[in-house]
This record gives sequence, structure tokens and C-alpha cells, in this order.
Amino acid sequence: GAGVSQSPRYKVAKRGQDVALRCDPISGHVSLFWYQQALGQGPEFLTYFQNEAQLDKSGLPSDRFFAERPEGSVSTLKIQRTQQEDSAVYLCASSQGDSSYEQYFGPGTRLTVT
Amino acid sequence: QKEVEQNSGPLSVPEGAIASLNCTYSDRGSQSFFWYRQYSGKSPELIMSIYSNGDKEDGRFTAQLNKASQYVSLLIRDSQPSDSATYLCAAAAAGKSTFGDGTTLTVKP
Repeated sequence: GAGVSQSPRYKVAKRGQDVALRCDPISGHVSLFWYQQALGQGPEFLTYFQNEAQLDKSGLPSDRFFAERPEGSVSTLKIQRTQQEDSAVYLCASSQGDSSYEQYFGPGTRLTVT
Repeated sequence: QKEVEQNSGPLSVPEGAIASLNCTYSDRGSQSFFWYRQYSGKSPELIMSIYSNGDKEDGRFTAQLNKASQYVSLLIRDSQPSDSATYLCAAAAAGKSTFGDGTTLTVKP
């Protein structure tokens, strides 16, 4: 079946612009996770949804970052007033249960802030 | 100190050898443990999960977990050049997965 999809795959934004990154999880997967991955590092947790409920947003770096999953399926990660330090790959993953279950990653969105 | 620690490598092994990758974690509340493989420029791909102490084998891969020592390892038998990648260890607890920075493995033909 179809895996996790993310769009856009690449995004270049001028500093100060707002961006929206989309994640479409595997059909039927209850949980959805967002991670930020810098070059040479492992994914860093940003936030976690179980259905439409955002259960943990402790990893969001600042109040410029906002995520939603209004109908318990597709999720959007929004970054307002982008800064150069926001440049990274943003990964979305989904799982059948909570994080104790296997997570399946999408291809990621590479964000470059100029 | 990171919550999940891995040797960054690079780890280089000849084709056909056993590659041994190690990981330690600090959160004793961690319940589930995962190994992901990440090729350069690609996203992580789940290769093994382990939930209880002991060994778990899947093909050429064996994961080992020792909760008392807070230690997880991955053995890759009969290593192939296509196994060359970065291997990420993750520990999950309370709805959150924490990843190490990965070990880069190179398998030389």
C-alpha cells in the first residue's frame, strides 16, 4: 500500500516568510510524528498526534512552530517568520499505535531558508 | 549528554564480515527500541524492533537488548556493500521516540 507522503519535497524560503509542510500518513495509522533532522544528526522530536489530539509538542523549538491534524489524518507543520536556523529536513512518521510501535517515515521536506 | 548515544564511526568492515553496532540509552522508562537504516539523502527505514531483553533475529540482522545495562546492539551478518549506510538507534517512551545521531557503516567489497 501507499507509504507516508510529504509535500513539498524541497522548499526554499526567504527569511521572514511563512511556510507550510504537509504530511499524509499511512491510511489507518493512528499516530503521527514530526521530526527535524540537521545534517549529520539523528531526527529530533518536534511533536506527536494521536488521531486529532496533539499529545506532546515539547520539541517545538519556538512559538513560531505550529502543527495541526484537524481530522486525524493529514497533518500540517507551519513555521512562521522563518529563520536561517530553521533550515533542516523535516520528517513525518506514522504508526499504528503510539511511539512504542514501529514508525514509518515519509521522504521528508528539505527546507532551506535564505 | 544525549539520551541515546551511538559511536559515530565510521565503522568499516569487509564484505561478508559481521558488523556490530552499539547504542546506550539513559531513560530507564524506555519501553521499545528500534534500529533504522538511513541512506545518504534518504529518510530512515525501519529494519528492527525489540521490546524485551534478549536477542531477536530477522534474516541477516540480530538485535540485542539488555535493559539492566541500558544497552541495545545490532549485528549484521554477511555484510554486503548495500548495507553501507547510517544506522540510527531509537528508544521510545511515553509517546516519544528519541534517536541517536547514528553510526555510519561502510562495507568494502
